[in-house]
Amino acid sequence: AQTVTQSQPEMSVQEAETVTLSCTYDTSENNYYLFWYKQPPSRQMILVIRQEAYKQQNATENRFSVNFQKAAKSFSLKISDSQLGDTAMYFCAFMSLTDKLIFGTGTRLQVFP
Amino acid sequence: GAVVSQHPSRVICKSGTSVKIECRSLDFQATTMFWYRQFPKKSLMLMATSNEGSKATYEQGVEKDKFLINHASLTLSTLTVTSAHPEDSSFYICSAPRGQGAVEQYFGPGTRLTVT
Repeated sequence: AQTVTQSQPEMSVQEAETVTLSCTYDTSENNYYLFWYKQPPSRQMILVIRQEAYKQQNATENRFSVNFQKAAKSFSLKISDSQLGDTAMYFCAFMSLTDKLIFGTGTRLQVFP
Repeated sequence: GAVVSQHPSRVICKSGTSVKIECRSLDFQATTMFWYRQFPKKSLMLMATSNEGSKATYEQGVEKDKFLINHASLTLSTLTVTSAHPEDSSFYICSAPRGQGAVEQYFGPGTRLTVT
């Protein structure tokens, strides 16, 4: 069975600085998808970024980028130029090609002014 | 853009009663929807996959008779918590793929259930 591990329950960063959230996963499959979701205090889940396992190039979405290390089964999220609105829970998630989303335990990120 | 709605956003019910939560896809059809449960400060746990026109697929450990799921149309799935107890109090979230075979999902805003 696939598992997703986020080893940082809480992180904090000062506004405008950069922070990296860690995620590791376990799977025996070769093709799959990885996601980072943001859940702000409103509780609405928002997709931050997505990575296809067959793509070697790391995904980037504006201030958000990932470091995808397939061999190491690692998928970290880097947030550059952190903003107060980035304060939220961040969930790493795994999905195989024909299966459901499996979420990590989450990292609570606090951005300080 | 396409979104997923949930109703109600909050509900309080007495122990022993049943409560229904609706999940609707707006502006798109969803043959599959997913129901999650989230405890305070915890992750989302998949409860079941709702399939239009057929029975839902439940995850291991989820009581089918306790959490009834009906996917009556291509835009509506309902979760009914039967004979609710305080331990059923939680945040329930639904999601739907953005299209047939789509990888990404739209998430509903969630429903806070409190059983007194």
